[in-house]
Amino acid sequence: EDQVTQSPEALRLQEGESSSLNCSYTVSGLRGLFWYRQDPGKGPEFLFTLYSAGEEKEKERLKATLTKKESFLHITAPKPEDSATYLCAVQARTTDSWGKLQFGAGTQVVVTP
Amino acid sequence: DADVTQTPRNRITKTGKRIMLECSQTKGHDRMYWYRQDPGLGLRLIYYSFDVKDINKGEISDGYSVSRQAQAKFSLSLESAIPNQTALYFCATRSSGTDTQYFGPGTRLTVL
Repeated sequence: EDQVTQSPEALRLQEGESSSLNCSYTVSGLRGLFWYRQDPGKGPEFLFTLYSAGEEKEKERLKATLTKKESFLHITAPKPEDSATYLCAVQARTTDSWGKLQFGAGTQVVVTP
Repeated sequence: DADVTQTPRNRITKTGKRIMLECSQTKGHDRMYWYRQDPGLGLRLIYYSFDVKDINKGEISDGYSVSRQAQAKFSLSLESAIPNQTALYFCATRSSGTDTQYFGPGTRLTVL
């Protein structure tokens, strides 16, 4: 069974204090790994898709990386507006045709001024 | 205007009532999904649809039904609501030519 575990559950950072979020996964053949950002009371907002080990994607202060067993979301010099819950999801190659995503529980990030 | 809209945004109902949550999209995507989100459990798939004539159960479909009225509209019904269906419900869409799912703003449902 596909599983996604995110750590830590919650992270409190000072503005400018860089850190990383972890997403560990087990899946029967990875089709893709997805990162989403979710603000309170809103739907998940797409950030990145990673397809193969060694791949990296960047957007502003966020950088996502992928290995064969886990993905990291690095937040460099975060600002208060980076406060959100970050969700990781995997799509197995066997379910490629209908795009079933297995989500982790998320990491809640709070960045204080 | 938002690409994916959900109505209502908040709903409080009583045990045993039938309710419907609606999702509309202007993205032109053929695939649509319903998820529920519970604290500590992440998002879980309820139903998904490839097109108007193709509807499939997800991992937690018991107690729910869906209707795809048009390519742009996908509704989720709770035939007889129960308290453990209290959750956040999200609709998502995807184009068959891509992998990314785009989510609506969600409906917060409380069953008393």
